[in-house]
Amino acid sequence: AQKITQTQPGMFVQEKEAVTLDCTYDTSDPSYGLFWYKQPSSGEMIFLIYQGSYDQQNATEGRYSLNFQKARKSANLVISASQLGDSAMYFCAMREGHGAGSYQLTFGKGTKLSVIP
Amino acid sequence: EAQVTQNPRYLITVTGKKLTVTCSQNMNHEYMSWYRQDPGLGLRQIYYSMNVEVTDKGDVPEGYKVSRKEKRNFPLILESPSPNQTSLYFCASKRGDQPQHFGDGTRLSIL
Repeated sequence: AQKITQTQPGMFVQEKEAVTLDCTYDTSDPSYGLFWYKQPSSGEMIFLIYQGSYDQQNATEGRYSLNFQKARKSANLVISASQLGDSAMYFCAMREGHGAGSYQLTFGKGTKLSVIP
Repeated sequence: EAQVTQNPRYLITVTGKKLTVTCSQNMNHEYMSWYRQDPGLGLRQIYYSMNVEVTDKGDVPEGYKVSRKEKRNFPLILESPSPNQTSLYFCASKRGDQPQHFGDGTRLSIL
């Protein structure tokens, strides 16, 4: 079974609207971390937001927030007030475990977001 | 400025000609890793290193070698490149549970 599933290969959103990018994960480890990265057309990987499995509150970073539903094993990224510069590939990733040995990141296949003016 | 630096950024080469992609980080991170990115497959880990002289295979290690003689450097070696290794490669580093910092990527084309 895939550890990280992003079911939306591509999404469109109108400028200034909010958009949700889906991510579900599969792990039996009680300690894990979830990450979202943005990859613009220039190719670099930009870290956006992090959610730990024991965090009580949903993570937020500016216009990015993470809708973390632990029982459903989902960690959707919400981008509010979309901008043209948000057009990019978005990857969800998971780190399992904690401390030494918890170094590997498993990535989903990505969602290509296009923001329409 | 904290960064992960990969070189070269772009390379076109031929089958069988050994090549090395260098990766260097200036953040004193103990963990470094190499990924390849292919369309529709996301990023897949090739090798990782938890510290100097400690390396281990990721999900797709075949055809690659790495070394970690110094903390800051983690080169990726393709001893005999083949066309199926044409890809976009990323080096990353981190400390502890912090997010990984990625380099800007190296686009390799093997003809």
